[in-house]
Amino acid sequence: GESVGLHLPTLSVQEGDNSIINCAYSNSASDYFIWYKQESGKGPQFIIDIRSNMDKRQGQRVTVLLNKTVKHLSLQIAATQPGDSAVYFCAENGDTGNQFYFGTGTSLTVIP
Amino acid sequence: DTGVSQDPRHKITKRGQNVTFRCDPISEHNRLYWYRQTLGQGPEFLTYFQNEAQLEKSRLLSDRFSAERPKGSFSTLEIQRTEQGDSAMYLCAGTAGGGDEQFFGPGTRLTVL
Repeated sequence: GESVGLHLPTLSVQEGDNSIINCAYSNSASDYFIWYKQESGKGPQFIIDIRSNMDKRQGQRVTVLLNKTVKHLSLQIAATQPGDSAVYFCAENGDTGNQFYFGTGTSLTVIP
Repeated sequence: DTGVSQDPRHKITKRGQNVTFRCDPISEHNRLYWYRQTLGQGPEFLTYFQNEAQLEKSRLLSDRFSAERPKGSFSTLEIQRTEQGDSAMYLCAGTAGGGDEQFFGPGTRLTVL
């Protein structure tokens, strides 16, 4: 299968600070990447996505950066809020484009 | 709320029993995915439907698992002869039209005793 991993399994940040969550992927055929947020007891929630023809995409308080050279993906959350506390997963679409492979996840804790 | 519902939310069964889960996406979701998630791990792809056609299955999917989407709307996932290793959260997700964003349901948590 694919190997999608996160460098930091846990991350604690102060409220108001910026957060950066990193992800490494292994399949160079993947051309679509997604970040999800998952709160306890709920299904993953889409945050932001990026295609391989881009290296940066911005949303509301979130930015995803893609470095295809080193197969690295990052999620930046600006002005982190307590409601951002959750587990964050990156996912890639692999060879077929339809089988999405998720990383292990990073648990983000925001300290008020 | 993504509009995707799953039933039941929790299921406890004894080893060897068969279980069936249901997923109801919204009507616009022409694509439907099933995933399995164990504690501390990301979701693992199981299978994928385009309307009523099951187009892809994970190579890791045991033949005890079967999924259907008979009318291209709701889907069922059946596990036969459950094993303790089947204990996990089973998630479904829908995707509308030509988009790629997957809308996940709340999941069904299966515990096999």
